[in-house]
Amino acid sequence: LAKTTQPISMDSYEGQEVNITCSHNNIATNDYITWYQQFPSQGPRFIIQGYKTKVTNEVASLFIPADRKSSTLSLPRVSLSDTAVYYCLVGDPNYGGSQGNLIFGKGTKLSVKP
Amino acid sequence: NAGVMQNPRHLVRRRGQEARLRCSPMKGHSHVYWYRQLPEEGLKFMVYLQKENIIDESGMPKERFSAEFPKEGPSILRIQQVVRGDSAAYFCASSPLDDQETQYFGPGTRLLVL
Repeated sequence: LAKTTQPISMDSYEGQEVNITCSHNNIATNDYITWYQQFPSQGPRFIIQGYKTKVTNEVASLFIPADRKSSTLSLPRVSLSDTAVYYCLVGDPNYGGSQGNLIFGKGTKLSVKP
Repeated sequence: NAGVMQNPRHLVRRRGQEARLRCSPMKGHSHVYWYRQLPEEGLKFMVYLQKENIIDESGMPKERFSAEFPKEGPSILRIQQVVRGDSAAYFCASSPLDDQETQYFGPGTRLLVL
């Protein structure tokens, strides 16, 4: 599975837009990009997934350039409750039964201040 | 539709005892994954199971750790003769058959070995 690189931490203020970029230079053709959010003492929670261009849901947007070697998670107008660790993962959702593991890095620790 | 359930949420064991961690996947999910998370670290994959089958155990320590997902009942992660280094948060995730990339995580079991 492709290795990802993302900033260890980011600071922001309430109401700002936050963009977290993830590098995945070795992404394979069948790989999708998935972001998870983890609050302290909780399990990770799925945020968004995409393959190319742009994906948007009620929580976030995901921007993926044409070469797919990076992706950017965009959180509009963050609040204090968005303080969490955000993980970027790449992998093939259609494993064919031989693999199932997600590879988590250390993630990006986002701190939102009032 | 209840989410992934894990119990106990907290478990304290003395060195040499056994720890049994339980995970009930979301209804309709046939895939279960176990991850371990040390403080300030990302999650590390341990094992991937389907009903009555271990698909991938490449992340499991060779000794003292075992996992099962019986036809009936929850998945069990079993740690025999626990040591202090086993202290960590253990997360279970489940996914549906047709989307293994989107995993839904439980709240975790925090194991403390004294």
